[in-house]
Amino acid sequence: GAVVSQHPSRVICKSGTSVKIECRSLDFQATTMFWYRQFPKQSLMLMATSNEGSKATYEQGVEKDKFLINHASLTLSTLTVASAHPEDSSFYICSAIRSNTEAFFGQGTRLTVV
Amino acid sequence: GQNIDQPTEMTATEGAIVQINCTYQTSGFNGLFWYQQHAGEAPTFLSYNVLDGLEEKGRFSSFLSRSKGYSYLLLKELQMKDSASYLCALDNYGQNFVFGPGTRLSVLP
Repeated sequence: GAVVSQHPSRVICKSGTSVKIECRSLDFQATTMFWYRQFPKQSLMLMATSNEGSKATYEQGVEKDKFLINHASLTLSTLTVASAHPEDSSFYICSAIRSNTEAFFGQGTRLTVV
Repeated sequence: GQNIDQPTEMTATEGAIVQINCTYQTSGFNGLFWYQQHAGEAPTFLSYNVLDGLEEKGRFSSFLSRSKGYSYLLLKELQMKDSASYLCALDNYGQNFVFGPGTRLSVLP
């Protein structure tokens, strides 16, 4: 079964609203989780590294004020897309690493901003 | 920095064998992953190579040569369900992964 759960799997929102995506590690503690973004027919691009109890580390070009990451516990990280716009429509995937080599991905969230 | 390259698309016939290559430039890494990703779904783990050589797992095998900066994924006895994107990714010492661009494989009857 899934060891990383991501919710929701699909969301459609109006332009200007905010959307929260949750990523939970189900049977292990993840001090670090990763958020990726994937455009159609492209590979996964790392957006940020989410660290429990501290600020997230964002990749170059990713707006931290737009993509708000909160890693409040060892099993939960959230990504909030603030004031979403159509260009934010994408596939967002989280992952967590267990025991330094096993990486597990959430199911992904298809965000459509209309 | 790190740079990873894969062919964009490949086509093969059901029952055949296909090799998907991944070349990279990096100053160092823990290991190399291969993932399969069907359209609209999250990637699923296929293999992880730390040492040079071939790792075989059923119909799928993965090879790594650190000296050549090269890996490949070998798929045997292709099935229609193998049509997907295949991503290689470098493991940055457990800190994060850097994904290649992915190879879209189409398996034809």
